[in-house]
Parts: sequence; C-alpha cells; structure tokens
Amino acid sequence: AQSVTQPDIHITVSEGASLELRCNYSYGATPYLFWYVQSPGQGLQLLLKYFSGDTLVQGIKGFEAEFKRSQSSFNLRKPSVHWSDAAEYFCAVGTNRDDKIIFGKGTRLHILP
Amino acid sequence: GAVVSQHPSWVICKSGTSVKIECRSLDFQATTMFWYRQFPKQSLMLMATSNEGSKATYEQGVEKDKFLINHASLTLSTLTVTSAHPEDSSFYICSARDRVTGELFFGEGSRLTVL
Repeated sequence: AQSVTQPDIHITVSEGASLELRCNYSYGATPYLFWYVQSPGQGLQLLLKYFSGDTLVQGIKGFEAEFKRSQSSFNLRKPSVHWSDAAEYFCAVGTNRDDKIIFGKGTRLHILP
Repeated sequence: GAVVSQHPSWVICKSGTSVKIECRSLDFQATTMFWYRQFPKQSLMLMATSNEGSKATYEQGVEKDKFLINHASLTLSTLTVTSAHPEDSSFYICSARDRVTGELFFGEGSRLTVL
C-alpha cells in the first residue's frame, strides 16, 4: 500500500524568504502525487499534482514541486512566501488516476513578519 | 470551477443520536466519492470509498455499521454517524471525483460535535 511522510510538523519562515516543504512517498510503481493547502477551518485546495511527464510541476499561488524518483520525494517550494501562505500543507499519494489518495500528516507553515 | 458542497457545515448533537452529513457535487457527476475524517491539528484519515449504486468500501479499522455511507446518485453521497458518541466528534471531509475529467474536488468539511 502507498504511504506518504512529511517529516516536518512545523516550519517557520520569514515573509519574503524561500520555502521548501518535504514529502517522501512509498509506493512500488510511479505514484500520483499531490500537494494540498488547508487554511484554518477550511476545506482543501489543490496546489499542484504530478501524474507523469515533466518532473518539475508548477502550481497555483507561485508554488512548484519536483518529483525525484531516486529519492522518493516530492518537495514543495516557493521562492518568496507571503503572510497569506500561513496554513497547513498536505502531501498526498495515489496509485492511479481514479483511486483513493492517502494524505501525509501535514506541515504547518508559520510566517514571521 | 467545480464545487463540492457539504451540509451541514457544522452540527452539534446529543450522545446516542444519529447525524447525517450530505456531500453533493454541484456541477459535475461523481461516480466515486471519498469520506475522510480529520482530528484537530491532524491529517485526513480516509474512512471509505463510496461508489454510486454499490456498497461503500471501508478502510481497515472503520466500523461500517457506525458510519453508514450511501451513494444513491451521481451527485450525492451521505455519511450517517449512528448512535454518535463524543469520540465521534471530528471534522468530516468528502471529496468527489468528476466522472469525465477524473479531477478530484473536496468539500469544505462538516464539523461534528457530540455532547
């Protein structure tokens, strides 16, 4: 079965600084990978996803992620964070396009002014 | 864009009562819907996969008699928490997969508090 690990529970960065959130997955074949963001008391918003093709994926709100098969990773990056980026970020993995997706435990991002 | 609506968005009930939460895809048809449970400051735990016209598939450890799932149409799935207890208090989130595009959309969630 697939699984995903987000090693950082909390990350704090200063506004304007760059950001990288880590995600490692476990799955025998090529996974379907996702990053979602959840603001307090809100539902989930899809930031980006990887199914195949170019391993560097561009998403919304200036986010990007890179799929590295050799490292089983799909880290999320943003060159310059904004205070509005403070939220909970979830990495998720699926086995095919139509199957369920499993979420990591999430990383809470704090932004310092 | 596609919208998934959950109702109610929050509900408070007494212990021992049953609560029904609806998940609707508003502008697309969904043959598959998923129900997740999220405890405070924790991740989303997949409870079950709901397929239109058939029985739901529950994840290991989820009591199917406790959490009744019905997917009677291509736009509606319901989760009924039967004989709710305080430990059932949680944030329940549904997601629906567009049968045409395969895109997955999430509802805003329903917060259940059992007194």
